[in-house]
Amino acid sequence: EAQVTQNPRYLITVTGKKLTVTCSQNMNHEYMSWYRQDPGLGLRQIYYSMNVEVTDKGDVPEGYKVSRKEKRNFPLILESPSPNQTSLYFCASSLRGDQPQHFGDGTRLSIL
Amino acid sequence: SQQGEEDPQALSIQEGENATMNCSYKTSINNLQWYRQNSGRGLVHLILIRSNEREKHSGRLRVTLDTSKKSSSLLITASRAADTASYFCATDGGGYQKVTFGTGTKLQVIP
Repeated sequence: EAQVTQNPRYLITVTGKKLTVTCSQNMNHEYMSWYRQDPGLGLRQIYYSMNVEVTDKGDVPEGYKVSRKEKRNFPLILESPSPNQTSLYFCASSLRGDQPQHFGDGTRLSIL
Repeated sequence: SQQGEEDPQALSIQEGENATMNCSYKTSINNLQWYRQNSGRGLVHLILIRSNEREKHSGRLRVTLDTSKKSSSLLITASRAADTASYFCATDGGGYQKVTFGTGTKLQVIP
């Protein structure tokens, strides 16, 4: 079954404690992306990757890091989380950036 | 930010009625897509319209695109309670790279 898998689904943590949200896709997609969703703001792109070892900033990259060492994985790293990063996060993948994206089920992060 | 905007923000209709939601964007595009989201779940792709197309149909969905006005509309005909969800438009900015989502329209279909 074609899917994008994110882990964890829920996480409550404290300010400054590094965390990683993993994302994996099994569709051999070139393009992967991270979004955050906040009430009234829709989805905002954090980072995207057009292929292995190729990443670029989206609209809200501050405070986040990503890496794309393998085609199927695109982890999101918060080196020093802060409360303003409390949000619902989605990973997505597609053949190309202008093609339909498949979304994961989301990760709800609460940073106290 | 190049984020698009959708209106209305919320829409409540009776089952069987048509629902229309609009999306405006700011930059030239390659494709425009519409997605649906059920209550905090992952988004699901509905339909894609290319910048050189003006109208596209898929089942009960009809999408129009006016690149001169930088706007698109999504029409859901003969709505059902199961159509209750949030709907988002997304544009790729013409560079096959960065993707920008609108703020979404929350649709409620009352049985």
